[in-house]
Amino acid sequence: EVQLVQSGAEVKKPGESLKISCKGSGYSFTSYWIGWVRQMPGKGLEWMGIIYPGDSDTRYSPSFQGQVTISADKSISTAYLQWSSLKASDTAMYYCARLLGGCGYDAPCYFDYWGQGTLVTVSS
Amino acid sequence: QSALTQPASVSGSPGQSITISCTGTSSDVGGYNYVSWYQQHPGKAPKLMIYDVSNRPSGVSNRFSGSKSGNTASLTISGLQAEDEADYYCSSYTSSSTLDVFGGGTKLTVL
Repeated sequence: EVQLVQSGAEVKKPGESLKISCKGSGYSFTSYWIGWVRQMPGKGLEWMGIIYPGDSDTRYSPSFQGQVTISADKSISTAYLQWSSLKASDTAMYYCARLLGGCGYDAPCYFDYWGQGTLVTVSS
Repeated sequence: QSALTQPASVSGSPGQSITISCTGTSSDVGGYNYVSWYQQHPGKAPKLMIYDVSNRPSGVSNRFSGSKSGNTASLTISGLQAEDEADYYCSSYTSSSTLDVFGGGTKLTVL
């Protein structure tokens, strides 16, 4: 059974750093892209970035380039999303999800399995 | 502002059919057959319902169907059931960005 298990909720202060995780199991972790999706309170879904754990190829949405860092440790089948300096506007639910498709130029890219979400609250 | 435009809300009675639209441009919906739809119940992670415009993943009810005409993709739900009440998001490949884009989401209310 494919599963993505995310780390627990976090409460942080502005300016602090944070790294949340997403552990995959039940499939070949290095053979599928993993993506991160942000959902701010009461708002819609936003593509943040994706990573291919097999070779660590990483792509970011323009809105998130430079704002977050996506990484993966294939030895423990875990992907990460990290911030170096959180802002109140980073308060949101963050989902990781496995991607189907090539996720490249003129290629499909669909989230087929999702983690349970990690709620990040940034408040002074 | 989302790159793909969806109605904020739609509603229907049990047993009826509803259609949710997702309007983009020739750089995304209109130019490629890489449109997907996701269902999200409150407090839950999204679920893939349609991919490649009209394909259903295994386990998704055949009451859900997808189509596309020009720059607009559509999700149709037939035989509405109370459990279909949720938010629905479209997503499409776009040549204008490094990653795909979501629509703003549509809240479906089953009356």
